[in-house]
Amino acid sequence: KAGVTQTPRYLIKTRGQQVTLSCSPISGHRSVSWYQQTPGQGLQFLFEYFSETQRNKGNFPGRFSGRQFSNSRSEMNVSTLELGDSALYLCASSLYPGVTEAFFGQGTRLTVV
Amino acid sequence: DQQVKQNSPSLSVQEGRISILNCDYTNSMFDYFLWYKKYPAEGPTFLISISSIKDKNEDGRFTVFLNKSAKHLSLHIVPSQPGDSAVYFCAASALNNDMRFGAGTRLTVKP
Repeated sequence: KAGVTQTPRYLIKTRGQQVTLSCSPISGHRSVSWYQQTPGQGLQFLFEYFSETQRNKGNFPGRFSGRQFSNSRSEMNVSTLELGDSALYLCASSLYPGVTEAFFGQGTRLTVV
Repeated sequence: DQQVKQNSPSLSVQEGRISILNCDYTNSMFDYFLWYKKYPAEGPTFLISISSIKDKNEDGRFTVFLNKSAKHLSLHIVPSQPGDSAVYFCAASALNNDMRFGAGTRLTVKP
């Protein structure tokens, strides 16, 4: 059974640009959550999608958005990039939201210069 | 709003001794708690979980204790091994809601 796949693994962008990250969950999993990991801040919740609907959203500005497709694949988009957006972005998939343990991808390392 | 807190950013223990990682939470609606382990350049992997109806769950060398009245949980690793060196994240969720993570504790087990 393939794990959670995130693409790309590494990305370098300049300030003001926008970026789209992709996440393919484990087959059969319908819940996808996104997290931002920065040193000292741990894993900060961005948003969660279940059956193509955003169920929850963390405390991030509107520049951060996402969506989920009918095949459960998810994308997140960050517009007007800022230096502080440099982080590891992790995607997690689970069968259903919350109750079961989530399986994480390896993450996308975004560097904004 | 940090609903899950891991106040120790790092912990160092000797191989063979016990490692105790602590986690506190503020949201009384949380009823499911998990620990994840993360190695560099990898995503977090699930380690052990506990439901709020229990106060202890054991899996091999790993035991998680939950004190609901204190809103506190801990992960015990006995005996600690060098391969346990990683960042450990505590997570909590309420039924059908998203998980919230702590900031992580970096555990170093010295040979």
